[in-house]
Amino acid sequence: DAGVIQSPRHEVTEMGQEVTLRCKPISGHDYLFWYRQTMMRGLELLIYFNNNVPIDDSGMPEDRFSAKMPNASFSTLKIQPSEPRDSAVYFCASREQGAYEQYFGPGTRLTVT
Amino acid sequence: KNEVEQSPQNLTAQEGEFITINCSYSVGISALHWLQQHPGGGIVSLFMLSSGKKKHGRLIATINIQEKHSSLHITASHPRDSAVYICAVRSSETSGSRLTFGEGTQLTVNP
Repeated sequence: DAGVIQSPRHEVTEMGQEVTLRCKPISGHDYLFWYRQTMMRGLELLIYFNNNVPIDDSGMPEDRFSAKMPNASFSTLKIQPSEPRDSAVYFCASREQGAYEQYFGPGTRLTVT
Repeated sequence: KNEVEQSPQNLTAQEGEFITINCSYSVGISALHWLQQHPGGGIVSLFMLSSGKKKHGRLIATINIQEKHSSLHITASHPRDSAVYICAVRSSETSGSRLTFGEGTQLTVNP
């Protein structure tokens, strides 16, 4: 398997623009997680899905952030409008039902100027 | 106080030294993870523990549930072990699959 796939790997955008980050989980994995990593706050869970249904979105910072999982093989994290404080590395991870180990994607480094 | 605390924050060692990184947590847990983040940014899961001890090559992870403490040991350290090591816990006090992360330990192993 190719592992968790994220795109783009790097994104530079101007404040106010819409940003869409994409994730393809490992085939057969039922859970998908979106994390954000910053120097100040480290790794934080934003939201996770089980069987395409959002289970816990309490980590989503504010209404500017939204996440969807239209099918088992694809998820998006959207920021609209983006702000400089959204600059971070965003990781997607997936795992199987009943397992504890999560597999992380390579991350998307977002810079908002 | 963070739910998960790691020490030290930074650690520099000479090649061949034995290394210990500590993780303390304040909640009941169902699992504890040790992750490694390479200088390039990728994150790899090293261990998942719910009790006892696990070993993989030169890496050993232990957990003491009563003391709410885990350690990650690296024997015969090598420069390629240089990375950030992150402890994360899955709380047993809340439902769901949320992980709470420590701030990480930056390890540098010099040749």
